[in-house]
Amino acid sequence: NAGVTQTPKFRVLKTGQSMTLLCAQDMNHEYMYWYRQDPGMGLRLIHYSVGEGTTAKGEVPDGYNVSRLKKQNFLLGLESAAPSQTSVYFCASILLGTNTEAFFGQGTRLTVV
Amino acid sequence: DAKTTQPPSMDCAEGRAANLPCNHSTISGNEYVYWYRQIHSQGPQYIIHGLKNNETNEMASLIITEDRKSSTLILPHATLRDTAVYYCIVRAPYSGAGSYQLTFGKGTKLSVIP
Repeated sequence: NAGVTQTPKFRVLKTGQSMTLLCAQDMNHEYMYWYRQDPGMGLRLIHYSVGEGTTAKGEVPDGYNVSRLKKQNFLLGLESAAPSQTSVYFCASILLGTNTEAFFGQGTRLTVV
Repeated sequence: DAKTTQPPSMDCAEGRAANLPCNHSTISGNEYVYWYRQIHSQGPQYIIHGLKNNETNEMASLIITEDRKSSTLILPHATLRDTAVYYCIVRAPYSGAGSYQLTFGKGTKLSVIP
């Protein structure tokens, strides 16, 4: 049971390049989330998904797109990276129920130069 | 979801109890109090949550005041590995709609000192 796995762990992009971050969970969780965390700040929600084939915007969605074609995977895309997107990205998943503990991945550190 | 207020930083001597306060004076009757921690930029880790009653697990204890306007997370015997940022989060139970997200503030940076 690997929990929540993020790929890659580190990446450096040039301004204008594109990339996709992958989040995979093996716990059959319904809800999945992408957050970003900037230095000295809490996590901010980018996009989320309540189930396979559905996505929705969070607090800071601009410049990002997401897809959830399979229940276990949630992809975050940057079509044209900007320096303002330099951040640490965290994926999380939740199994809905009375004890709704969220599980987080270990993060992807992205630098856009 | 209700907003929370935490001190930005605290120190605790190794082996002593760490008591981390959280104010959530606008909490609604059905909202839970959750605690997560983040060790050195790793992914946040769930610690404990509660509604009205005090809760205890293998990691910590959660004490919620009777009026539910504040709570305290207690790490009974803090170790150096407990040095982390601790987040207090208030969230309504799942209702079948919405994001059901966790809203993170800046948390409390706990430093456990040898």
